[in-house]
Amino acid sequence: AQSVTQLGSHVSVSEGALVLLRCNYSSSVPPYLFWYVQYPNQGLQLLLKYTSAATLVKGINGFEAEFKKSETSFHLTKPSAHMSDAAEYFCAVSPTSGTYKYIFGTGTRLKVLA
Amino acid sequence: DTAVSQTPKYLVTQMGNDKSIKCEQNLGHDTMYWYKQDSKKFLKIMFSYNNKELIINETVPNRFSPKSPDKAHLNLHINSLELGDSAVYFCASSSAGDGYTFGSGTRLTVV
Repeated sequence: AQSVTQLGSHVSVSEGALVLLRCNYSSSVPPYLFWYVQYPNQGLQLLLKYTSAATLVKGINGFEAEFKKSETSFHLTKPSAHMSDAAEYFCAVSPTSGTYKYIFGTGTRLKVLA
Repeated sequence: DTAVSQTPKYLVTQMGNDKSIKCEQNLGHDTMYWYKQDSKKFLKIMFSYNNKELIINETVPNRFSPKSPDKAHLNLHINSLELGDSAVYFCASSSAGDGYTFGSGTRLTVV
């Protein structure tokens, strides 16, 4: 069985500050891991994905995430927050084969303060 | 040229009615999905089709029936709509483990 836990349903950072959104996963098989962003009244957009290649994954809009197997974590970071980063962020886990059924975390609302 | 398109974007209907949501993808993906997002933003998979074959069928009331006429289309029909069906429904498609491409969602409001 797979699951994802996102710590912190709401995170606030100042513009220009480091963004850190936490995601821990549980998986009985090697996982694929993803981060998605959802802007208000829009669908989800893929930010980045881990598919068992490099453990440090770079995505769009300056975001990156590091896969740490020992910590079962896949935290999302960005060195300097921008006002346009304000959105809902979802971590997701999927098995590496079969149905590719994604299990999503409960989401983290990122607020960027001017 | 939208990759995954859903229609309609908004749907307001009365309890007891039957409605359909359509989804089309032009990405050549083999697998399509329906997800439900509730008012707390929680996303839950409902169905998945791979090349027109149903491969995921979660615990969903049988009032919900997906139909995939071909691998580029996945529609969702809902019978006897209830207040609790109000949510945003997202269609998505994928190829192997590449990540989903989502549609922009259909906001269903049952009154």
